Amino acid sequence: AQKVTQAQTEISVVEKEDVTLDCVYETRDTTYYLFWYKQPPSGELVFLIRRNSFDEQNEISGRYSWNFQKSTSSFNFTITASQVVDSAVYFCALSEGDYNTDKLIFGTGTRLQVFP
Amino acid sequence: GAVVSQHPSRVICKSGTSVKIECRSLDFQATTMFWYRQFPKQSLMLMATSNEGSKATYEQGVEKDKFLINHASLTLSTLTVTSAHPEDSSFYICSAREPTAIYNSPLHFGNGTRLTVT
Repeated sequence: AQKVTQAQTEISVVEKEDVTLDCVYETRDTTYYLFWYKQPPSGELVFLIRRNSFDEQNEISGRYSWNFQKSTSSFNFTITASQVVDSAVYFCALSEGDYNTDKLIFGTGTRLQVFP
Repeated sequence: GAVVSQHPSRVICKSGTSVKIECRSLDFQATTMFWYRQFPKQSLMLMATSNEGSKATYEQGVEKDKFLINHASLTLSTLTVTSAHPEDSSFYICSAREPTAIYNSPLHFGNGTRLTVT
């Protein structure tokens, strides 16, 4: 069965610190997609990244970077030089099957608080 | 700008009444939309898949008679919480994808509807 685990419930850091949010997934499919979403206090879900199971290249986007390791079934997310505006709940999610399967299995989320 | 519009953003209703939530795809047609539910400080759980022109597919444990889904057009899906009770108070959020979306395009989420049943 598919499952996404975000073991860190809450993380607090001081501005400018680097922080890594962990995500471990379980799936029997060989084709699957992994996502990260940000949910600020206002509630909307902000898409951050989508990665398919065949692309293990790490990705960097500004202060954000993602480390995809199939060997450990992990898709960790690092924020470099964190800022107060990064404070939010971050969700890792998994979808299985072909491209058009958009049923997402979400992790329980990690609440990040960045203090000035 | 937003590509999926959800309305209302907040609603307070009395126990026993029904509430309708709309999810619209803007500038694109969505044959499939998804409805999620999120309890306070918890994760999002998929409730159902809304299919244009046919019956919705509900996830295990979701009461189809309680949560009525109608996807009457390619740009609109509605979720009606019937005979709402305080335990139905939650954050409801829909999602849709452009059918001709390119690889790595995002699944678009609405801004969510916070339902409070008193």
